[in-house]
Amino acid sequence: QKEVEQNSGPLSVPEGAIASLNCTYSDRGSQSFFWYRQYSGKSPELIMFIYSNGDKEDGRFTAQLNKASQYVSLLIRDSQPSDSATYLCAVVTGGGNKLTFGTGTQLKVEL
Amino acid sequence: DTEVTQTPKHLVMGMTNKKSLKCEQHMGHRAMYWYKQKAKKPPELMFVYSYEKLSINESVPSRFSPECPNSSLLNLHLHALQPEDSALYLCASSQAPAGGTDTQYFGPGTRLTVL
Repeated sequence: QKEVEQNSGPLSVPEGAIASLNCTYSDRGSQSFFWYRQYSGKSPELIMFIYSNGDKEDGRFTAQLNKASQYVSLLIRDSQPSDSATYLCAVVTGGGNKLTFGTGTQLKVEL
Repeated sequence: DTEVTQTPKHLVMGMTNKKSLKCEQHMGHRAMYWYKQKAKKPPELMFVYSYEKLSINESVPSRFSPECPNSSLLNLHLHALQPEDSALYLCASSQAPAGGTDTQYFGPGTRLTVL
C-alpha cells in the first residue's frame, strides 16, 4: 500500500463547477497535510495546509480532514480554467519534516 | 515573502562534467531540502538539512553531494551523472519549528539534462 494515494485523473469539470480532489494516507500518526498545485513545467505551489479534523476554508478552496478515515480532500468552488493543473497531496510521515507526496490528480476545467 | 530562489534555471551537462545547483532563501528558515522530480511523477525527497546539518539522506547515489554553507544557502554538487538523472531538481525550505508543524515552500527548480 502506498503511503499517500490519489486518483491520477484527469478529473474534468466545467467552468464554475465544484472540483473535488481526494487523498488517502496510510500512516495513522500523520499530523500535517498539505495541498500543492503544480502547473506543467513549474514547481509545486502551496495551496493549503490542514492539521485538525474538519474543514478549513481559504477563498475558493476548502480542505477537509478526517483522521479516523485517514482521508483528506480539497474542494475548489467556482472552478476556473486557470485552476487546470496537477494537485499534489502531501503528508508529513514518520515524524519530523519528511514530506511524502501522492502521485497527484490532474484537474482540467473546461469552458 | 515566501521566496526560494534557484540557479541555474536550466542546465545541460555531459556525464563527465562537474556542476553545482544553488538554492537560496532569506526567510530565516532553518530547514532546507532537495527533491528530484521526473516527468508526471511526484517530487522525491533526496536530502534534508536541519539547522545546517544533514538530517535525512534518502539513499541517494554518491554522484549527488549536498552542501549547506550557511542557513540561507544550499548547494547540490553533481559529478559523473547518468542520463537517467535528467529531471527537475527542486529546492524547498521551511521554518523547522521545534515540535511544531512545518510548511515547505518550493523554489522554481532547475531543469537538468544529462547527455
